[in-house]
Amino acid sequence: QKEVEQDPGPLSVPEGAIVSLNCTYSNSAFQYFMWYRQYSRKGPELLMYTYSSGNKEDGRFTAQVDKSSKYISLFIRDSQPSDSATYLCAMSASGANSKLTFGKGITLSVRP
Amino acid sequence: DGGITQSPKYLFRKEGQNVTLSCEQNLNHDAMYWYRQDPGQGLRLIYYSQIVNDFQKGDIAEGYSVSREKKESFPLTVTSAQKNPTAFYLCASSRNSGPVGWGDAFGSGTQLSVL
Repeated sequence: QKEVEQDPGPLSVPEGAIVSLNCTYSNSAFQYFMWYRQYSRKGPELLMYTYSSGNKEDGRFTAQVDKSSKYISLFIRDSQPSDSATYLCAMSASGANSKLTFGKGITLSVRP
Repeated sequence: DGGITQSPKYLFRKEGQNVTLSCEQNLNHDAMYWYRQDPGQGLRLIYYSQIVNDFQKGDIAEGYSVSREKKESFPLTVTSAQKNPTAFYLCASSRNSGPVGWGDAFGSGTQLSVL
């Protein structure tokens, strides 16, 4: 089993839909959880960053971490065509030399 | 305007040739990273540096080399020993306060292809 699994997609939704993107992980030591957005042929952009468990909200985006289920989610409300991109989850244990492990990414398309 | 600049945007390598990818940042970040991204794959860490004149191997360092002589610069050389170099290469940087590899700034990438 890979350390980080992400739904492969692609995912296509109509404008205004609520989008749920998910990742599961196997390493119970993971404490840092990130979501990145990557437009085609560009560098990723850090969207949300959570340490340990709980929810974090930023505008239309909500990141949720459920450590008991080893499951993280990114919700996008009122999705817009400009949200069309690849979304990557990433996570890491704490500790000075703990490295980030990325999911493969899911490509989201929001139809006008 | 702070950020990370990668150059060139596209690079072609002939067999047996070494090529160098440039990465410069003006964010005053201590840590810099090189990632490789293959189609449909997540990012894989090649090398990282948390301080000038020091760098560490990531998960896939074979066939690559780096240097960190200045805080702003972290060039990556893809050597002839790297047999499958075709990929999208991303440089990132961060303040030294989180896990290794957490880029809070990324460059726009270099697409390397083999002729």
